[in-house]
Amino acid sequence: GQQVMQIPQYQHVQEGEDFTTYCNSSTTLSNIQWYKQRPGGHPVFLIQLVKSGEVKKQKRLTFQFGEAKKNSSLHITATQTTDVGTYFCAGGIAGNMLTFGGGTRLMVKP
Amino acid sequence: DAGVIQSPRHEVTEMGQEVTLRCKPISGHDYLFWYRQTMMRGLELLIYFNNNVPIDDSGMPEDRFSAKMPNASFSTLKIQPSEPRDSAVYFCASSPRDPAGEQFFGPGTRLTVL
Repeated sequence: GQQVMQIPQYQHVQEGEDFTTYCNSSTTLSNIQWYKQRPGGHPVFLIQLVKSGEVKKQKRLTFQFGEAKKNSSLHITATQTTDVGTYFCAGGIAGNMLTFGGGTRLMVKP
Repeated sequence: DAGVIQSPRHEVTEMGQEVTLRCKPISGHDYLFWYRQTMMRGLELLIYFNNNVPIDDSGMPEDRFSAKMPNASFSTLKIQPSEPRDSAVYFCASSPRDPAGEQFFGPGTRLTVL
């Protein structure tokens, strides 16, 4: 079955440093989604990418979808303590359920 | 819209007891998903429904787990009998039209089985 791998599992950064998490799918995707889960909270949708090579930005967050539509990345510039949480990617194939990656837990030292 | 509603938010029970978790999806959403989240196994899909019909229950761990969706606005996940290894946070999520589309998660039920 479809698998979505995410690295790293954990990342500690100093506030102000950049952060990147990577997502790889075993199959070609229709879309890739990113979710953020704050400690003690629930996953919240951030964004969806559907086009090969697509890049989208949300303030300090940059999301990329690979040319082959099998990998993606989320980059945070100049992390802040409010960025703390677990970031999940989720790969979608039209008509099939989303497959979530294992998540990257981001910890930010003030 | 109120979002996805789950109850109870916390449940503590003893091994062997029956546990029922409840979910009300967002009105008009065709898909409903049940997930389990633990530190060891991450976020696991247990089962999902389309228009109240179970589509894929391959993630349900064993026969002790069952899920129903009697109507478009209500679903239950039942564990009988419960075991300590069932301790986890259980999320319900709903999606408007596509199982691969954006999912809206409820706040979760934190289950502790002693």
